[in-house]
Amino acid sequence: EAGVAQSPRYKIIEKRQSVAFWCNPISGHATLYWYQQILGQGPKLLIQFQNNGVVDDSQLPKDRFSAERLKGVDSTLKIQPAKLEDSAVYLCASSPAHNEQFFGPGTRLTVL
Amino acid sequence: AQSVTQLDSQVPVFEEAPVELRCNYSSSVSVYLFWYVQYPNQGLQLLLKYLSGSTLVKGINGFEAEFNKSQTSFHLRKPSVHISDTAEYFCAVSPGANNLFFGTGTRLTVIP
Repeated sequence: EAGVAQSPRYKIIEKRQSVAFWCNPISGHATLYWYQQILGQGPKLLIQFQNNGVVDDSQLPKDRFSAERLKGVDSTLKIQPAKLEDSAVYLCASSPAHNEQFFGPGTRLTVL
Repeated sequence: AQSVTQLDSQVPVFEEAPVELRCNYSSSVSVYLFWYVQYPNQGLQLLLKYLSGSTLVKGINGFEAEFNKSQTSFHLRKPSVHISDTAEYFCAVSPGANNLFFGTGTRLTVIP
């Protein structure tokens, strides 16, 4: 079974630039999550989708972050404009049912 | 609200020695409990989970954890560690069917 795919794996941008990350969940998984993991910290949920609807986006900085999951399959997370403090690993996870989440390898973002 | 405390940010241990990684949580509701492992430049992998039933949970790679409701703890143990166990370990709680709340992680370093 293929795992959660994410791209790119690494991205370096300058502050105020825009960036987008892509996630393809495990086939058949209805729930998709985006997490932000700052160096030295645990992952923090940014947004949760159930199919193509948003379940929880309370921790998403909506002035600069946006996410979509068209057709209820893959998803993109965008940051516009990026700030220095956005440097982190962005993890995507998917879940077929309650509680068990499968994580992708992450995208490491460096904002200069 | 939920929170997770991993008291030890770093744990060095000699190969073949036992190890315990500590996790305490607080929650106003019943929670599910998880341990994830993160190898360098990889996503998180589920080690084990407690949903209900027996308080001693066995996971992959010889790890086990014990849920102690009175002490609100979910410590992770392994009787004999291997070099390949060197990684970051995250404890997480979930109040229900939704997102995970992670601790700050414990870096386990196995010394040859």
